[in-house]
Amino acid sequence: DAGVTQSPTHLIKTRGQQVTLRCSPKSGHDTVSWYQQALGQGPQFIFQYYEEEERQRGNFPDRFSGHQYPNYSSELNVNALLLGDSALYLCASRPGVSTEAFFGQGTRLTVV
Amino acid sequence: DQQVKQNSPSLSVQEGRISILNCDYTNSMFDYFLWYKKYPAEGPTFLISISSIKDKNEDGRFTVFLNKSAKHLSLHIVPSQPGDSAVYFCAAAIEGGATNKLIFGTGTLLAVQP
Repeated sequence: DAGVTQSPTHLIKTRGQQVTLRCSPKSGHDTVSWYQQALGQGPQFIFQYYEEEERQRGNFPDRFSGHQYPNYSSELNVNALLLGDSALYLCASRPGVSTEAFFGQGTRLTVV
Repeated sequence: DQQVKQNSPSLSVQEGRISILNCDYTNSMFDYFLWYKKYPAEGPTFLISISSIKDKNEDGRFTVFLNKSAKHLSLHIVPSQPGDSAVYFCAAAIEGGATNKLIFGTGTLLAVQP
């Protein structure tokens, strides 16, 4: 049983560009959350998707948007990239009623 | 506003001894707490959790203690092994909340010396 998978693992983008990160949740998990982990910090909640709808959003600007597909996979889009967007982006999935979240290996985004 | 705090950035312990990692929180609405372990180049791995209706939860070498009045929890690892060397994150959630989103601390780097 594959766990949470994310692609790509590493990415380098130029300031002002747009990026799309992808996540496939663990089998049986219908809820997907995205987190940003800056260097030396803990993961910070960006938003969560359930039934293809954004259910809650953390303190992130509208440049961060997402999508969930009927097969529960999800995308994170970031527009107008800033140098400060450089971070590890983590996808986490869980079955709807559980609190324990299972994380992917993350996508390391570097903005130059 | 850091609602979950891990005040020790790092901890070094001898193999076989006890490792104690600490975590404090400020939001009294939190009612579920989790510990995650993270190796470099990997995502966080769930380790153990505790509900606020309990004050202790044990799973093998790992025990989490919760002191609600002090808004403090700790993770005990006994005995510590070199493979336990990793960054440990404490996280909190409101289990009855809309999303059960996790609020993480900044992590503690544990080094277990052989």
